[in-house]
Amino acid sequence: DVKVTQSSRYLVKRTGEKVFLECVQDMDHENMFWYRQDPGLGLRLIYFSYDVKMKEKGDIPEGYSVSREKKERFSLILESASTNQTSMYLCASSQMTGGPFYEQYFGPGTRLTVT
Amino acid sequence: AQSVTQLDSQVPVFEEAPVELRCNYSSSVSVYLFWYVQYPNQGLQLLLKYLSGSTLVKGINGFEAEFNKSQTSFHLRKPSVHISDTAEYFCAASLGSSYKLIFGSGTRLLVRP
Repeated sequence: DVKVTQSSRYLVKRTGEKVFLECVQDMDHENMFWYRQDPGLGLRLIYFSYDVKMKEKGDIPEGYSVSREKKERFSLILESASTNQTSMYLCASSQMTGGPFYEQYFGPGTRLTVT
Repeated sequence: AQSVTQLDSQVPVFEEAPVELRCNYSSSVSVYLFWYVQYPNQGLQLLLKYLSGSTLVKGINGFEAEFNKSQTSFHLRKPSVHISDTAEYFCAASLGSSYKLIFGSGTRLLVRP
Protein backbone atom coordinates (compact mmCIF):
# COMPACT_ATOMS: atom_id res chain seq x y z
CA ASP A 1 0.00 0.00 0.00
CA VAL A 2 1.26 3.45 -0.91
CA LYS A 3 1.73 5.67 2.04
CA VAL A 4 2.08 9.43 1.93
CA THR A 5 2.65 11.07 5.29
CA GLN A 6 2.66 14.71 6.25
CA SER A 7 4.57 16.02 9.26
CA SER A 8 1.66 17.76 10.98
CA ARG A 9 -2.13 17.47 10.88
CA TYR A 10 -2.68 20.89 12.43
CA LEU A 11 -0.34 23.87 12.58
CA VAL A 12 -0.78 27.38 13.95
CA LYS A 13 1.76 30.02 12.97
CA ARG A 14 2.08 33.77 13.30
CA THR A 15 2.19 36.25 10.42
CA GLY A 16 5.74 36.64 9.13
CA GLU A 17 7.01 33.29 10.38
CA LYS A 18 8.83 30.89 8.09
CA VAL A 19 6.83 27.67 7.83
CA PHE A 20 7.95 24.23 6.66
CA LEU A 21 5.49 21.53 5.64
CA GLU A 22 7.04 18.13 5.12
CA CYS A 23 5.80 15.25 3.00
CA VAL A 24 7.25 11.74 2.72
CA GLN A 25 6.19 8.90 0.41
CA ASP A 26 7.34 5.30 0.66
CA MET A 27 6.69 3.96 -2.87
CA ASP A 28 9.65 5.32 -4.79
CA HIS A 29 7.41 7.62 -6.84
CA GLU A 30 9.07 10.10 -9.16
CA ASN A 31 6.34 12.73 -9.03
CA MET A 32 5.36 14.70 -5.96
CA PHE A 33 2.84 17.51 -5.66
CA TRP A 34 1.72 20.18 -3.22
CA TYR A 35 -1.88 21.39 -3.37
CA ARG A 36 -3.87 23.92 -1.46
CA GLN A 37 -7.54 23.14 -0.72
CA ASP A 38 -10.04 25.91 -0.01
CA PRO A 39 -13.85 25.64 0.23
CA GLY A 40 -15.53 26.11 -3.13
CA LEU A 41 -12.21 26.20 -4.98
CA GLY A 42 -11.28 22.53 -4.98
CA LEU A 43 -7.57 21.69 -5.06
CA ARG A 44 -5.12 24.06 -6.65
CA LEU A 45 -1.59 23.03 -7.54
CA ILE A 46 1.17 25.03 -5.87
CA TYR A 47 4.28 23.18 -7.03
CA PHE A 48 5.18 19.92 -8.68
CA SER A 49 8.43 17.94 -8.69
CA TYR A 50 9.28 15.17 -11.18
CA ASP A 51 12.74 14.33 -9.85
CA VAL A 52 15.19 15.19 -7.09
CA LYS A 53 16.09 18.89 -7.21
CA MET A 54 13.61 19.41 -10.08
CA LYS A 55 10.51 21.52 -9.62
CA GLU A 56 7.85 23.18 -11.67
CA LYS A 57 5.46 25.95 -10.70
CA GLY A 58 1.81 25.12 -10.49
CA ASP A 59 -1.15 27.46 -10.69
CA ILE A 60 -0.57 29.42 -7.48
CA PRO A 61 3.17 29.43 -6.59
CA GLU A 62 3.33 33.00 -5.26
CA GLY A 63 4.44 33.12 -1.64
CA TYR A 64 5.66 29.53 -1.66
CA SER A 65 8.84 27.64 -2.44
CA VAL A 66 9.70 23.94 -2.40
CA SER A 67 12.65 21.67 -1.80
CA ARG A 68 13.28 18.11 -2.94
CA GLU A 69 16.69 16.90 -1.81
CA LYS A 70 15.71 13.22 -1.61
CA LYS A 71 13.33 11.27 -3.81
CA GLU A 72 10.95 10.38 -0.98
CA ARG A 73 10.69 13.83 0.60
CA PHE A 74 9.09 17.02 -0.72
CA SER A 75 8.93 20.14 1.43
CA LEU A 76 6.72 23.18 1.03
CA ILE A 77 8.09 26.42 2.44
CA LEU A 78 6.18 29.59 3.28
CA GLU A 79 8.97 32.16 3.49
CA SER A 80 6.86 34.70 5.38
CA ALA A 81 3.46 33.37 6.32
CA SER A 82 0.44 35.58 5.77
CA THR A 83 -3.17 35.21 6.88
CA ASN A 84 -4.31 34.51 3.31
CA GLN A 85 -2.22 31.34 3.41
CA THR A 86 -4.51 29.86 6.05
CA SER A 87 -5.71 26.70 4.31
CA MET A 88 -5.56 22.93 4.06
CA TYR A 89 -2.37 21.71 2.36
CA LEU A 90 -2.31 18.33 0.66
CA CYS A 91 0.71 16.44 -0.60
CA ALA A 92 0.48 13.75 -3.27
CA SER A 93 2.78 11.43 -5.19
CA SER A 94 2.55 9.33 -8.35
CA GLN A 95 4.60 7.18 -10.67
CA MET A 96 5.91 8.68 -13.85
CA THR A 97 6.93 6.03 -16.37
CA GLY A 98 5.41 2.93 -17.92
CA GLY A 99 1.80 3.93 -18.46
CA PRO A 100 -0.49 6.59 -19.87
CA PHE A 101 -1.21 8.13 -16.52
CA TYR A 102 -0.87 7.09 -12.93
CA GLU A 103 -3.17 8.08 -10.13
CA GLN A 104 -2.01 10.42 -7.43
CA TYR A 105 -1.89 9.20 -3.84
CA PHE A 106 -2.64 11.76 -1.18
CA GLY A 107 -1.48 12.38 2.34
CA PRO A 108 -3.95 13.22 5.15
CA GLY A 109 -3.37 16.96 4.84
CA THR A 110 -2.06 19.73 7.09
CA ARG A 111 -4.52 22.37 8.24
CA LEU A 112 -2.47 25.54 8.60
CA THR A 113 -3.79 28.58 10.45
CA VAL A 114 -1.83 31.84 10.24
CA THR A 115 -2.79 34.39 12.87
CA ALA B 1 -8.61 27.40 -20.66
CA GLN B 2 -8.95 23.75 -19.77
CA SER B 3 -11.20 23.20 -16.79
CA VAL B 4 -13.27 20.75 -14.78
CA THR B 5 -16.71 21.83 -13.61
CA GLN B 6 -18.81 20.35 -10.83
CA LEU B 7 -22.04 22.30 -10.94
CA ASP B 8 -23.47 21.05 -7.65
CA SER B 9 -21.72 22.24 -4.53
CA GLN B 10 -23.94 20.11 -2.28
CA VAL B 11 -26.26 17.18 -2.97
CA PRO B 12 -28.58 16.06 -0.16
CA VAL B 13 -30.13 12.61 -0.56
CA PHE B 14 -31.93 10.10 1.61
CA GLU B 15 -30.32 6.82 2.55
CA GLU B 16 -30.88 4.00 -0.01
CA ALA B 17 -31.82 6.50 -2.74
CA PRO B 18 -29.82 6.71 -5.99
CA VAL B 19 -27.46 9.62 -6.57
CA GLU B 20 -25.66 11.22 -9.49
CA LEU B 21 -22.84 13.73 -9.07
CA ARG B 22 -22.15 15.71 -12.22
CA CYS B 23 -18.78 16.51 -13.77
CA ASN B 24 -18.01 18.22 -17.05
CA TYR B 25 -14.62 18.98 -18.53
CA SER B 26 -13.40 21.20 -21.30
CA SER B 27 -10.57 19.89 -23.44
CA SER B 28 -9.70 19.52 -27.10
CA VAL B 29 -7.08 16.87 -26.42
CA SER B 30 -7.09 13.37 -24.99
CA VAL B 31 -8.18 13.19 -21.40
CA TYR B 32 -7.92 10.89 -18.42
CA LEU B 33 -10.62 11.27 -15.78
CA PHE B 34 -10.82 10.52 -12.08
CA TRP B 35 -13.18 10.69 -9.14
CA TYR B 36 -11.72 11.08 -5.67
CA VAL B 37 -13.52 11.01 -2.32
CA GLN B 38 -12.52 12.90 0.80
CA TYR B 39 -13.99 11.81 4.13
CA PRO B 40 -13.95 14.35 6.99
CA ASN B 41 -10.43 15.21 8.17
CA GLN B 42 -8.79 12.89 5.68
CA GLY B 43 -6.86 13.11 2.43
CA LEU B 44 -8.27 12.15 -0.96
CA GLN B 45 -8.86 8.53 -1.95
CA LEU B 46 -9.31 7.34 -5.52
CA LEU B 47 -12.83 6.04 -6.28
CA LEU B 48 -12.38 5.23 -9.96
CA LYS B 49 -10.60 6.28 -13.12
CA TYR B 50 -11.11 6.32 -16.86
CA LEU B 51 -7.98 5.94 -19.00
CA SER B 52 -9.34 4.23 -22.13
CA GLY B 53 -11.61 1.41 -23.27
CA SER B 54 -15.10 0.85 -21.87
CA THR B 55 -16.86 4.10 -21.15
CA LEU B 56 -18.57 2.65 -18.06
CA VAL B 57 -16.11 2.47 -15.21
CA LYS B 58 -16.74 0.71 -11.92
CA GLY B 59 -15.01 1.77 -8.74
CA ILE B 60 -14.90 1.05 -5.05
CA ASN B 61 -17.85 1.20 -2.64
CA GLY B 62 -20.41 0.51 -5.40
CA PHE B 63 -19.76 3.70 -7.37
CA GLU B 64 -19.59 3.86 -11.15
CA ALA B 65 -19.09 6.59 -13.74
CA GLU B 66 -19.71 6.96 -17.45
CA PHE B 67 -17.40 8.77 -19.83
CA ASN B 68 -19.35 10.63 -22.50
CA LYS B 69 -17.03 12.20 -25.02
CA SER B 70 -19.72 14.00 -27.01
CA GLN B 71 -21.07 15.69 -23.89
CA THR B 72 -17.60 16.02 -22.28
CA SER B 73 -19.00 14.56 -19.09
CA PHE B 74 -17.96 12.01 -16.48
CA HIS B 75 -20.87 11.75 -14.05
CA LEU B 76 -20.58 9.61 -10.90
CA ARG B 77 -23.48 7.38 -9.87
CA LYS B 78 -24.50 5.02 -7.11
CA PRO B 79 -27.82 3.14 -7.16
CA SER B 80 -28.28 3.13 -3.38
CA VAL B 81 -26.33 5.34 -1.00
CA HIS B 82 -25.44 4.75 2.66
CA ILE B 83 -24.90 7.17 5.51
CA SER B 84 -21.18 6.33 5.28
CA ASP B 85 -21.06 7.80 1.76
CA THR B 86 -21.36 11.27 3.26
CA ALA B 87 -18.18 12.99 2.06
CA GLU B 88 -16.83 15.44 -0.47
CA TYR B 89 -16.31 14.17 -4.00
CA PHE B 90 -13.85 15.63 -6.47
CA CYS B 91 -13.73 15.11 -10.20
CA ALA B 92 -10.30 15.55 -11.79
CA ALA B 93 -8.82 15.41 -15.26
CA SER B 94 -5.42 15.04 -16.76
CA LEU B 95 -5.36 16.73 -20.13
CA GLY B 96 -3.08 15.68 -22.95
CA SER B 97 0.29 14.38 -21.85
CA SER B 98 0.48 16.34 -18.62
CA TYR B 99 1.24 14.59 -15.34
CA LYS B 100 -0.80 17.20 -13.56
CA LEU B 101 -4.45 16.97 -12.53
CA ILE B 102 -7.05 19.69 -12.79
CA PHE B 103 -9.64 19.40 -10.05
CA GLY B 104 -13.25 20.49 -9.93
CA SER B 105 -14.50 22.53 -6.98
CA GLY B 106 -15.99 19.49 -5.27
CA THR B 107 -19.50 18.26 -4.42
CA ARG B 108 -20.51 17.58 -0.86
CA LEU B 109 -22.76 14.52 -0.67
CA LEU B 110 -24.97 14.59 2.39
CA VAL B 111 -26.83 11.33 3.05
CA ARG B 112 -29.75 11.64 5.45
CA PRO B 113 -31.40 8.76 7.35
